[in-house]
Amino acid sequence: DTGVSQNPRHKITKRGQNVTFRCDPISEHNRLYWYRQTLGQGPEFLTYFQNEAQLEKSRLLSDRFSAERPKGSFSTLEIQRTEQGDSAMYLCASSLAGGTEKETQYFGPGTRLLVL
Amino acid sequence: AQTVTQSQPEMSVQEAETVTLSCTYDTSESDYYLFWYKQPPSRQMILVIRQEAYKQQNATENRFSVNFQKAAKSFSLKISDSQLGDAAMYFCAYGRLWEKLTFGTGTRLTIIP
Repeated sequence: DTGVSQNPRHKITKRGQNVTFRCDPISEHNRLYWYRQTLGQGPEFLTYFQNEAQLEKSRLLSDRFSAERPKGSFSTLEIQRTEQGDSAMYLCASSLAGGTEKETQYFGPGTRLLVL
Repeated sequence: AQTVTQSQPEMSVQEAETVTLSCTYDTSESDYYLFWYKQPPSRQMILVIRQEAYKQQNATENRFSVNFQKAAKSFSLKISDSQLGDAAMYFCAYGRLWEKLTFGTGTRLTIIP
């Protein structure tokens, strides 16, 4: 079990540029979640997948944000035309829904985005 | 909508002493889960303890235990025999089975040697 991994760990970009983050969940986990955490706050839900199906999107996820999980394994989160307000830590988590494991979301280390 | 409130932005405790972190939540659901997550500085979030709402018995994990009051919608975390490694941000979270988590704003815990 290698845990949830996220790449890159840090990203600095200029306003207006597009960025893409990747999350690799724990291998047997079928649910994958994206959260955003700003300084001094708790994580806020963005979206989640069951296998490749996107089941729910937060109102926080504007049209500039898109997430995919094409083969039900890794996921990408893309932000188009970044704004300074997008600066945050983007967290990914995964869980095994329907299995014998207790309901637990395991978090990755996050991608810290800074928009200049 | 569900909300989670942590009214203590910061707490401190002497090493080896006991500290209690508070959390209240609001929901109209009867079946849900509550969690305490720990986020050490610059490190990833890890689960400390979880509580199923249908269970009356309070969850315990070694030095960590909860006081779950369903009617009062209260879910506090007690850390016994505090250790330096317990220093972190602690987040209370609410969720329904396999769905999104709703987090509080966190409590920063400092351990005084």
